[in-house]
Amino acid sequence: QVQLQESGSGLVKPSETLSLTCTVSGGSIRSYFLTWIRQPPGKGLEWIGFISSSGSTIYNPSLNSRVTISLDRSKHFSLNLTSVTAADTAVYYCARGVPDRFEFDYWGQGTLVTVSS
Amino acid sequence: QSVLTQPPSVSGAPGQRVTISCTGSSSNIGAGYLVHWYQQLPGTAPKLLLYGDINRPSGVPDRFSGSKSGTSASLAVTGLRAEDEAHYYCQSYDSSLSGPVVFGGGTKLTVL
Repeated sequence: QVQLQESGSGLVKPSETLSLTCTVSGGSIRSYFLTWIRQPPGKGLEWIGFISSSGSTIYNPSLNSRVTISLDRSKHFSLNLTSVTAADTAVYYCARGVPDRFEFDYWGQGTLVTVSS
Repeated sequence: QSVLTQPPSVSGAPGQRVTISCTGSSSNIGAGYLVHWYQQLPGTAPKLLLYGDINRPSGVPDRFSGSKSGTSASLAVTGLRAEDEAHYYCQSYDSSLSGPVVFGGGTKLTVL
């Protein structure tokens, strides 16, 4: 059974960088799109971006200038979001994206990141 | 404002049938791109409910079904049960500057 687990700081100061890591276990990441999705409190889902197992990245155009997703060959992938504001407060999920169809078949439990001084 | 439009809420009594619409445009659903649906129970991560317009992952009851026509897709839930009360999200691929991954704004299904 594939499992994903997010980890990282739950509190980030405005203007600083949000950093999260996702660990994948129990299954392959080869050929899949490793994805970050966020959900502000009480709101809907927003796709942040993904990285392929070969290291290619695609980001949400609205966040493109602030986002970096990177991949560690030992089944970890990371999210960095720079210059955060209160609007970046959200539950952040990592998920596995299926190639060609782009659905997300496995999700982490999510981690709340609050941006506050 | 979401690229895919869903009604904020729907409701139905136990045993009834409800549908949730997902309306897009010529750059996503209307272009033939696949639609996927997720169920989010309170306090949990979204779970894949339907993929590729109509397909159910293993373990999803056949009470859940999907359809697509033109620029819209629909999720139908028959034989409504209390445990179906959740938020439901549609998702597709978009070829415009909004994409490539776009979600609907979500629909809260209430079982009366």
